Amino acid sequence: GAVVSQHPSRVICKSGTSVKIECRSLDFQATTMFWYRQFPKQSLMLMATSNEGSKATYEQGVEKDKFLINHASLTLSTLTVTSAHPEDSSFYICSAVPGLAGVYTDTQYFGPGTRLTVL
Amino acid sequence: SQKIEQNSEALNIQEGKTATLTCNYTNYSPAYLQWYRQDPGRGPVFLLLIRENEKEKRKERLKVTFDTTLKQSLFHITASQPADSATYLCALLPNRDDKIIFGKGTRLHILP
Repeated sequence: GAVVSQHPSRVICKSGTSVKIECRSLDFQATTMFWYRQFPKQSLMLMATSNEGSKATYEQGVEKDKFLINHASLTLSTLTVTSAHPEDSSFYICSAVPGLAGVYTDTQYFGPGTRLTVL
Repeated sequence: SQKIEQNSEALNIQEGKTATLTCNYTNYSPAYLQWYRQDPGRGPVFLLLIRENEKEKRKERLKVTFDTTLKQSLFHITASQPADSATYLCALLPNRDDKIIFGKGTRLHILP
């Protein structure tokens, strides 16, 4: 149980294009999903908290107009990297917190990640 | 400053021995601490959670300790196997109203 999928697993795009990454909880509902970015040999850095039915909460230094998040249902959140540039190349990972329980006390289940390469 | 520290260098352990990984933190009083496993190019997989009022937690060959006085957690893998080779991340909840933060992880190599 508690499986989270991400699509695509890998994407290569040209500078200036937009890329959408999907995060799905396959066997549970999640009112809250998180989006992280991870650079090589670095820790996961939280980008934003995605809340179903409301606006995402972005961490300091993360541009909300560049990283658009839509949490359209209790099983799907999407991250769109708009006008991507080479510096946006990274490993993007989502996680989901099952159910309606307290956001910050439940275990997160992570997706397999999406490797984005911007040429 | 507030931070989480994990062994920065890779840890090489002979198969069958116990691997011990360290997670130290400063300036936090975390409600709980978690350990995750991350394989290359994959997302983290949750392993264990230990709460502030717990000293030790076990799961099969895994054992986690939590010393709130030393501000340290130890993660042990007994009877280690080459398949245990991965990066292990420590994460904690700084405060009850905060978000989980992660250490950089320690790469563990179990040598056959």
